[in-house]
Amino acid sequence: DQQVKQNSPSLSVQEGRISILNCDYTNSMFDYFLWYKKYPAEGPTFLISISSIKDKNEDGRFTVFLNKSAKHLSLHIVPSQPGDSAVYFCAAGQGQGNLIFGKGTKLSVKP
Amino acid sequence: NAGVTQTPKFQVLKTGQSMTLQCAQDMNHNSMYWYRQDPGMGLRLIYYSASEGTTDKGEVPNGYNVSRLNKREFSLRLESAAPSQTSVYFCASSVVPTSYEQYFGPGTRLTVT
Repeated sequence: DQQVKQNSPSLSVQEGRISILNCDYTNSMFDYFLWYKKYPAEGPTFLISISSIKDKNEDGRFTVFLNKSAKHLSLHIVPSQPGDSAVYFCAAGQGQGNLIFGKGTKLSVKP
Repeated sequence: NAGVTQTPKFQVLKTGQSMTLQCAQDMNHNSMYWYRQDPGMGLRLIYYSASEGTTDKGEVPNGYNVSRLNKREFSLRLESAAPSQTSVYFCASSVVPTSYEQYFGPGTRLTVT
């Protein structure tokens, strides 16, 4: 049973517009959430995170929103750039630092 | 400062053969992890080492063994490879177990025929 779900396998956005990637989770004990970005043939790289005690965290063009009552988080990228084209993984952590990953959403930003 | 390095980058094994995947980090991190990624799937934790001298099972440990050789190195061994172990394997490290920000290596693409 998937504890972290990314229901959209892919997303296509025009350059300059907003990209919104979504993630749902089932375990209310998760205390930390992260987004990772992955280019082909490379390892994932950390993008942004949020603690369960917050509802928003912003870093430049990237903002993560957490809605604990809905067990939902989202990543907003504004403005989107072609270099943002990658697979984005949502991950959740509890306790020892072990992460549970979603299946990923492939973002394509078209010039 | 190379971060997390993995060897080899690619490997093809026959069913029943054994091999060891090597991972090293130069960031003085305490915790290290092994994940596998299958097509259309997220990363799944195989084993982790919260600190030097300790190892624990993750979500999918069957068919694998690990060794935390020292603070820098964490190896993953397949004793008798099976086609179901065809995957991309990623090693990661973090400062401490409760630091969720993990740094990943470039991966090892393993095919078992």
